[in-house]
Amino acid sequence: DAGITQSPRYKITETGRQVTLMCHQTWSHSYMFWYRQDLGHGLRLIYYSAAADITDKGEVPDGYVVSRSKTENFPLTLESATRSQTSVYFCASTGSGQGAGSPLHFGNGTRLTVT
Amino acid sequence: GEDVEQSLFLSVREGDSSVINCTYTDSSSTYLYWYKQEPGAGLQLLTYIFSNMDMKQDQRLTVLLNKKDKHLSLRIADTQTGDSAIYFCAESISYIPTFGRGTSLIVHP
Repeated sequence: DAGITQSPRYKITETGRQVTLMCHQTWSHSYMFWYRQDLGHGLRLIYYSAAADITDKGEVPDGYVVSRSKTENFPLTLESATRSQTSVYFCASTGSGQGAGSPLHFGNGTRLTVT
Repeated sequence: GEDVEQSLFLSVREGDSSVINCTYTDSSSTYLYWYKQEPGAGLQLLTYIFSNMDMKQDQRLTVLLNKKDKHLSLRIADTQTGDSAIYFCAESISYIPTFGRGTSLIVHP
Protein backbone atom coordinates (compact mmCIF):
# COMPACT_ATOMS: atom_id res chain seq x y z
CA ASP A 1 0.00 0.00 0.00
CA ALA A 2 1.21 3.49 -0.76
CA GLY A 3 2.00 5.63 2.20
CA ILE A 4 4.48 6.48 4.87
CA THR A 5 5.17 4.03 7.66
CA GLN A 6 7.15 4.35 10.85
CA SER A 7 8.52 1.59 13.02
CA PRO A 8 8.44 0.70 15.79
CA ARG A 9 5.20 2.22 16.99
CA TYR A 10 6.38 2.15 20.61
CA LYS A 11 9.87 1.83 22.03
CA ILE A 12 11.27 1.80 25.52
CA THR A 13 15.02 2.06 25.90
CA GLU A 14 17.55 2.84 28.60
CA THR A 15 19.71 5.91 28.96
CA GLY A 16 22.90 5.57 26.95
CA ARG A 17 21.58 3.02 24.47
CA GLN A 18 21.55 3.55 20.75
CA VAL A 19 18.16 3.37 19.12
CA THR A 20 17.07 3.75 15.50
CA LEU A 21 13.64 4.83 14.37
CA MET A 22 12.67 3.80 10.88
CA CYS A 23 10.69 5.67 8.26
CA HIS A 24 9.67 4.39 4.84
CA GLN A 25 7.62 6.08 2.13
CA THR A 26 6.35 4.65 -1.13
CA TRP A 27 5.68 7.84 -3.10
CA SER A 28 9.30 8.56 -4.07
CA HIS A 29 8.93 11.96 -2.44
CA SER A 30 12.17 13.91 -2.57
CA TYR A 31 11.79 15.59 0.84
CA MET A 32 11.64 13.77 4.13
CA PHE A 33 11.51 15.16 7.66
CA TRP A 34 11.83 14.13 11.28
CA TYR A 35 9.90 16.00 13.94
CA ARG A 36 9.50 15.52 17.65
CA GLN A 37 6.30 16.46 19.42
CA ASP A 38 6.33 17.45 23.07
CA LEU A 39 3.71 19.09 25.26
CA GLY A 40 4.17 22.82 25.22
CA HIS A 41 6.54 22.78 22.26
CA GLY A 42 4.37 21.60 19.39
CA LEU A 43 6.31 20.11 16.50
CA ARG A 44 10.04 20.73 16.32
CA LEU A 45 12.08 19.86 13.27
CA ILE A 46 15.05 17.63 13.99
CA TYR A 47 16.49 16.92 10.54
CA TYR A 48 15.31 16.97 6.98
CA SER A 49 16.49 15.67 3.66
CA ALA A 50 15.94 17.17 0.23
CA ALA A 51 17.06 14.07 -1.67
CA ALA A 52 19.08 10.90 -1.25
CA ASP A 53 22.46 11.65 0.33
CA ILE A 54 21.42 15.23 1.18
CA THR A 55 20.51 15.97 4.79
CA ASP A 56 20.35 19.14 6.84
CA LYS A 57 19.80 20.16 10.44
CA GLY A 58 16.54 21.47 11.73
CA GLU A 59 15.75 23.29 14.94
CA VAL A 60 16.81 20.57 17.44
CA PRO A 61 19.43 18.27 15.85
CA ASP A 62 21.73 17.66 18.85
CA GLY A 63 21.91 14.00 19.88
CA TYR A 64 20.44 12.71 16.62
CA VAL A 65 21.92 11.31 13.43
CA VAL A 66 20.19 10.68 10.11
CA SER A 67 21.06 9.08 6.81
CA ARG A 68 19.37 8.87 3.44
CA SER A 69 21.05 6.29 1.25
CA LYS A 70 17.77 5.53 -0.56
CA THR A 71 14.99 7.93 -1.48
CA GLU A 72 12.33 5.90 0.31
CA ASN A 73 14.06 5.48 3.69
CA PHE A 74 15.05 8.04 6.27
CA PRO A 75 16.16 6.46 9.57
CA LEU A 76 16.72 8.54 12.70
CA THR A 77 19.32 7.33 15.19
CA LEU A 78 19.75 8.40 18.78
CA GLU A 79 23.38 7.51 19.37
CA SER A 80 23.23 7.64 23.18
CA ALA A 81 19.66 8.12 24.33
CA THR A 82 18.88 10.59 27.14
CA ARG A 83 15.67 11.07 29.14
CA SER A 84 15.14 14.44 27.44
CA GLN A 85 14.70 12.53 24.19
CA THR A 86 11.53 10.87 25.49
CA SER A 87 8.99 12.10 22.97
CA VAL A 88 6.73 11.22 20.08
CA TYR A 89 8.64 11.23 16.81
CA PHE A 90 6.99 11.87 13.47
CA CYS A 91 8.37 11.28 10.03
CA ALA A 92 6.92 13.18 7.08
CA SER A 93 7.50 13.46 3.35
CA THR A 94 6.62 15.71 0.46
CA GLY A 95 7.70 16.32 -3.07
CA SER A 96 7.10 18.36 -6.17
CA GLY A 97 4.15 17.72 -8.42
CA GLN A 98 1.56 17.37 -5.68
CA GLY A 99 0.03 20.78 -6.14
CA ALA A 100 -1.06 23.09 -3.35
CA GLY A 101 2.46 23.85 -2.24
CA SER A 102 3.35 20.24 -1.53
CA PRO A 103 1.79 19.61 1.89
CA LEU A 104 3.48 17.14 4.19
CA HIS A 105 2.31 13.56 4.60
CA PHE A 106 2.90 12.24 8.11
CA GLY A 107 3.46 8.81 9.53
CA ASN A 108 1.60 7.72 12.66
CA GLY A 109 4.53 8.36 14.92
CA THR A 110 6.86 6.45 17.24
CA ARG A 111 6.40 6.93 20.96
CA LEU A 112 9.85 6.66 22.52
CA THR A 113 10.44 6.41 26.25
CA VAL A 114 13.97 6.63 27.62
CA THR A 115 14.28 5.32 31.18
CA GLY B 1 9.63 34.55 19.11
CA GLU B 2 7.58 32.01 17.20
CA ASP B 3 7.00 32.44 13.48
CA VAL B 4 3.49 30.99 13.72
CA GLU B 5 1.33 31.54 16.78
CA GLN B 6 -1.90 29.93 17.88
CA SER B 7 -3.89 29.81 21.07
CA LEU B 8 -3.46 26.47 22.81
CA PHE B 9 -7.05 25.53 23.69
CA LEU B 10 -10.58 26.05 22.45
CA SER B 11 -13.70 24.56 23.98
CA VAL B 12 -17.05 24.61 22.18
CA ARG B 13 -20.46 23.03 22.50
CA GLU B 14 -21.55 20.47 19.95
CA GLY B 15 -23.45 22.13 17.10
CA ASP B 16 -21.80 25.52 17.59
CA SER B 17 -19.20 27.01 15.26
CA SER B 18 -15.51 26.84 16.16
CA VAL B 19 -13.02 29.48 15.11
CA ILE B 20 -9.32 28.73 15.44
CA ASN B 21 -6.97 31.64 14.88
CA CYS B 22 -3.36 31.83 13.76
CA THR B 23 -0.88 34.62 13.12
CA TYR B 24 2.27 34.28 11.06
CA THR B 25 5.20 36.52 10.41
CA ASP B 26 6.59 35.75 6.96
CA SER B 27 4.78 37.91 4.41
CA SER B 28 6.31 35.94 1.54
CA SER B 29 4.54 32.72 2.57
CA THR B 30 3.06 31.12 -0.50
CA TYR B 31 0.73 28.60 1.07
CA LEU B 32 -0.94 28.45 4.45
CA TYR B 33 -2.23 25.17 5.78
CA TRP B 34 -4.41 23.69 8.44
CA TYR B 35 -3.56 20.21 9.65
CA LYS B 36 -5.61 18.05 12.00
CA GLN B 37 -4.12 15.58 14.47
CA GLU B 38 -6.38 13.02 16.08
CA PRO B 39 -5.25 11.14 19.21
CA GLY B 40 -2.49 8.63 18.53
CA ALA B 41 -2.07 9.64 14.90
CA GLY B 42 0.08 11.85 12.75
CA LEU B 43 -1.00 15.15 11.25
CA GLN B 44 -3.29 15.11 8.24
CA LEU B 45 -3.81 17.99 5.85
CA LEU B 46 -7.25 19.45 6.46
CA THR B 47 -7.26 22.37 4.06
CA TYR B 48 -5.00 25.04 2.63
CA ILE B 49 -5.19 28.49 1.12
CA PHE B 50 -2.96 30.13 -1.43
CA SER B 51 -1.63 33.51 -0.41
CA ASN B 52 -3.46 35.41 -3.14
CA MET B 53 -6.85 34.25 -1.82
CA ASP B 54 -8.94 35.83 0.93
CA MET B 55 -11.28 32.96 1.64
CA LYS B 56 -11.74 29.32 0.89
CA GLN B 57 -14.77 27.22 1.74
CA ASP B 58 -14.86 23.44 1.80
CA GLN B 59 -18.07 21.93 3.19
CA ARG B 60 -18.09 22.78 6.93
CA LEU B 61 -14.69 24.45 6.79
CA THR B 62 -14.05 28.10 6.00
CA VAL B 63 -10.55 29.53 5.87
CA LEU B 64 -10.09 33.29 6.04
CA LEU B 65 -6.80 35.00 5.26
CA ASN B 66 -5.98 38.59 6.15
CA LYS B 67 -2.62 39.22 4.53
CA LYS B 68 -2.32 42.75 5.86
CA ASP B 69 -2.53 41.53 9.46
CA LYS B 70 -0.91 38.16 8.69
CA HIS B 71 -3.88 36.46 10.27
CA LEU B 72 -5.38 33.12 9.30
CA SER B 73 -8.50 31.54 10.73
CA LEU B 74 -10.28 28.22 10.42
CA ARG B 75 -14.02 28.11 11.04
CA ILE B 76 -15.73 24.78 11.54
CA ALA B 77 -19.50 25.01 11.22
CA ASP B 78 -21.79 22.71 13.22
CA THR B 79 -18.90 21.33 15.25
CA GLN B 80 -19.20 17.64 16.10
CA THR B 81 -17.51 15.51 18.75
CA GLY B 82 -15.48 13.92 15.95
CA ASP B 83 -13.88 17.31 15.35
CA SER B 84 -12.13 17.09 18.71
CA ALA B 85 -8.44 17.11 17.82
CA ILE B 86 -5.36 19.31 17.69
CA TYR B 87 -5.32 21.75 14.79
CA PHE B 88 -2.03 23.05 13.47
CA CYS B 89 -1.54 26.14 11.37
CA ALA B 90 1.49 26.13 9.06
CA GLU B 91 3.06 28.49 6.58
CA SER B 92 5.30 27.55 3.69
CA ILE B 93 7.48 29.35 1.19
CA SER B 94 9.49 26.38 0.02
CA TYR B 95 9.18 22.72 0.91
CA ILE B 96 9.88 23.27 4.59
CA PRO B 97 6.84 24.47 6.52
CA THR B 98 6.80 26.26 9.85
CA PHE B 99 4.16 24.97 12.25
CA GLY B 100 2.36 26.63 15.09
CA ARG B 101 2.16 24.83 18.44
CA GLY B 102 -1.35 23.57 17.74
CA THR B 103 -4.78 24.37 19.17
CA SER B 104 -6.57 21.62 21.09
CA LEU B 105 -10.25 21.74 20.17
CA ILE B 106 -12.52 20.18 22.77
CA VAL B 107 -16.14 19.61 21.77
CA HIS B 108 -18.58 18.89 24.58
CA PRO B 109 -22.23 17.90 24.42
